Amino acid sequence: EDKVVQSPLSLVVHEGDTVTLNCSYEVTNFRSLLWYKQEKKAPTFLFMLTSSGIEKKSGRLSSILDKKELFSILNITATQTGDSAIYLCAGGATNKLIFGTGTLLAVQP
Amino acid sequence: EAEVAQSPRYKITEKSQAVAFWCDPISGHATLYWYRQILGQGPELLVQFQDESVVDDSQLPKDRFSAERLKGVDSTLKIQPAELGDSAMYLCASSLIWRGGRGNNEQFFGPGTRLTVL
Repeated sequence: EDKVVQSPLSLVVHEGDTVTLNCSYEVTNFRSLLWYKQEKKAPTFLFMLTSSGIEKKSGRLSSILDKKELFSILNITATQTGDSAIYLCAGGATNKLIFGTGTLLAVQP
Repeated sequence: EAEVAQSPRYKITEKSQAVAFWCDPISGHATLYWYRQILGQGPELLVQFQDESVVDDSQLPKDRFSAERLKGVDSTLKIQPAELGDSAMYLCASSLIWRGGRGNNEQFFGPGTRLTVL
């Protein structure tokens, strides 16, 4: 059965801290690994990773995929209160996404 | 910027009543998804359409849930009768067309409909 597991389930940090969110996956016909940010609304797209070892960056966020170990991490540097959200990881198969339960990040001033 | 539209944004109903949710995907996106997200969990796929055809409805509780996309554009998800356990966020997403296994996994989500069943 396909599954995506995220850790930690929740995390509380202070502004300026660096955080690393983890995602492991077992997905049949795996094609890509996606990260989404979800505040009190629908998920918004962050990254899509298809190749191992190639880091994708967007401002203070970066992510990398390890297809051998079936693992991805999302890093956020110099966190801000606006980064507080649920971060969802999804394994992309041929034509569907399998989501993890998410990591709830709370950034305190 | 093109967006996925959903309505209503919020719905409160009593158990055993019927409810319906509407979704209009991004123009040109042939693939449409309905997800259910229970508080504290990730989205769970209920049904996937390619144009007007159902591709995957294996997780759709067919005794009470139904979905249609008659003209291959907008879609309706219905629950009849609603139960207390149906309280959740119902998300619609769309993505570019899949042909012969080729496509893009990136899905664009609408704002969701938050359903509360009393």
